[in-house]
Amino acid sequence: GDSVTQMEGPVTLSEEAFLTINCTYTATGYPSLFWYVQYPGEGLQLLLKATKADDKGSNKGFEATYRKETTSFHLEKGSVQVSDSAVYFCALVTSGTYKYIFGTGTRLKVLA
Amino acid sequence: NAGVTQTPKFQVLKTGQSMTLQCAQDMNHNSMYWYRQDPGMGLRLIYYSASEGTTDKGEVPNGYNVSRLNKREFSLRLESAAPSQTSVYFCASQGQGDRDEQYFGPGTRLTVT
Repeated sequence: GDSVTQMEGPVTLSEEAFLTINCTYTATGYPSLFWYVQYPGEGLQLLLKATKADDKGSNKGFEATYRKETTSFHLEKGSVQVSDSAVYFCALVTSGTYKYIFGTGTRLKVLA
Repeated sequence: NAGVTQTPKFQVLKTGQSMTLQCAQDMNHNSMYWYRQDPGMGLRLIYYSASEGTTDKGEVPNGYNVSRLNKREFSLRLESAAPSQTSVYFCASQGQGDRDEQYFGPGTRLTVT
């Protein structure tokens, strides 16, 4: 079945460091791919998405590119801030299934 | 717009008690979902409703029932709570397309003693 694998955390970075959180997937068909962010005590909220191969999703300085050849959707940010500390989830959904598949989440801690 | 709302925010139950978690969305979405979130396990789908009048099992449906009361509301019922159901529960709704993003409620933190 479909699955999402993302890197284990926690990831601890200093402010202004470069961030990469790896995400790879397996899916039948052509999924849409998403990154969600969860701040402490809150629900998940959409960070960015990509719906087809080579699409780049971007938001708030975060970017991820839909790579069909490597089945990956890695999240990157050039300069993290303390306020980016949160848990990040990679997810996919395939047409007609109505079922999202989530990764286990990666906790990011940014130190001032 | 309030988005997706959930009640209650917190609940403590004794083993064997029952309760219903309420969820409502005001975005006119067709699809709604219930997840549970446990440490180290990400989100696991309990039940979903692709449209009003339909419900389907997800990955971990045992011990739960759902009702899609109308297009706006989707409730989750625990008939006889067990400690293994201690978790954070999230309701979500999905945009009009079957590949659209999901919108999440703030969650219900449930403890079963």
